[in-house]
Amino acid sequence: NAGVTQTPKFQVLKTGQSMTLQCAQDMNHEYMSWYRQDPGMGLRLIHYSVGAGITDQGEVPNGYNVSRSTTEDFPLRLLSAAPSQTSVYFCASRPQGGTGYGYTFGSGTRLTVV
Amino acid sequence: QKEVEQDPGPLSVPEGAIVSLNCTYSNSAFQYFMWYRQYSRKGPELLMYTYSSGNKEDGRFTAQVDKSSKYISLFIRDSQPSDSATYLCAMTRNNDMRFGAGTRLTVKP
Repeated sequence: NAGVTQTPKFQVLKTGQSMTLQCAQDMNHEYMSWYRQDPGMGLRLIHYSVGAGITDQGEVPNGYNVSRSTTEDFPLRLLSAAPSQTSVYFCASRPQGGTGYGYTFGSGTRLTVV
Repeated sequence: QKEVEQDPGPLSVPEGAIVSLNCTYSNSAFQYFMWYRQYSRKGPELLMYTYSSGNKEDGRFTAQVDKSSKYISLFIRDSQPSDSATYLCAMTRNNDMRFGAGTRLTVKP
């Protein structure tokens, strides 16, 4: 059971380039989300999805796009990278509903935009 | 003002000490309260979650929620060097989970 898998682990982009951060989970979780983690800011929600075909914006969505065509995959797209998007990105998933709201996180993607 | 406030520390204690970590929040709509532990260069992992005010114990860890004061705490008894990590509080309303900035803890042998 792999849990939540993120690729790549590290990436350096030039300003203006685009790229897709991949996230896949094998736990059949309905809910998936993307966070960014910056020093002193904690984790901030970018986008989330409650199921295939359904996405919504979080706290800091600007500059990012998502789609959810399958239950397993939730890619995050940076349309035109900016230095302000230098961060560590985490994908997380959990079952929708239930008595617990524990998230399973991936190991993160460290992105540097130069 | 952030919705969830957490002292970033760093906090350094000797092995065997009792550790107290705290968060305050401003939005009374938060329903579930969690603590995550994050080792360096790893993703956060869930330690404990609670729904109602009161205490919840799991081994050396106790989570405490006071909804009237909008204050949550995590206590670690008999702290070990392996507890050295960043501890993040988190809380949810519907599908929105908000995190504190995290407190970096070092337990010295």
